[in-house]
Amino acid sequence: AQTVTQSQPEMSVQEAETVTLSCTYDTSESDYYLFWYKQPPSRQMILVIRQEAYKQQNATENRFSVNFQKAAKSFSLKISDSQLGDAAMYFCASQGGSEKLVFGKGTKLTVNP
Amino acid sequence: ETGVTQTPRHLVMGMTNKKSLKCEQHLGHNAMYWYKQSAKKPLELMFVYNFKEQTENNSVPSRFSPECPNSSHLFLHLHTLQPEDSALYLCASSPTAASGGASTDTQYFGPGTRLTVL
Repeated sequence: AQTVTQSQPEMSVQEAETVTLSCTYDTSESDYYLFWYKQPPSRQMILVIRQEAYKQQNATENRFSVNFQKAAKSFSLKISDSQLGDAAMYFCASQGGSEKLVFGKGTKLTVNP
Repeated sequence: ETGVTQTPRHLVMGMTNKKSLKCEQHLGHNAMYWYKQSAKKPLELMFVYNFKEQTENNSVPSRFSPECPNSSHLFLHLHTLQPEDSALYLCASSPTAASGGASTDTQYFGPGTRLTVL
């Protein structure tokens, strides 16, 4: 069975600064995908970034990038030049092979002006 | 916003009531999902439908009854719920779902229904 752990229940960052959200996972699958989802207050969850485990290159989407360490089973999200609109719950998730999409408990990110 | 809508957005019901949650996706996907999101807990997958067929029931109590009349619509019928069932219920869709609810397709979520059971 897959597990996803987000060890930071809450994080805060100053506007325009950089913040890194941590995620570790465990899976027995050899082929799997990792995701970061963002859920703003009272708004729907949207995909931020997706990483295929077989790709060594870290995925990037504009100000969002990941640090994927396959051997350590670590998948952290870096947000550069933080904006007020980045404030949200961020969920790390893993899915692969015959397994369902499994989420972590989430990290609440506050962006301070 | 994504092409997944949910109604109602908020619902308050007594333990003896019967109500239904509705989800509709406009993305042409073939798989639809129900999740339960409780405070301080990871999202819990409840049901998966692929091409209108239920492929996953994650040990959900029978007081929750899903229905998928077509690939675009998904319902969750509720009856004799308990206060601990109060949560945000999220619907999602993806292009496909393999057997057992597994798919590496990206899932697109609706805004959720905030359910309160009194």
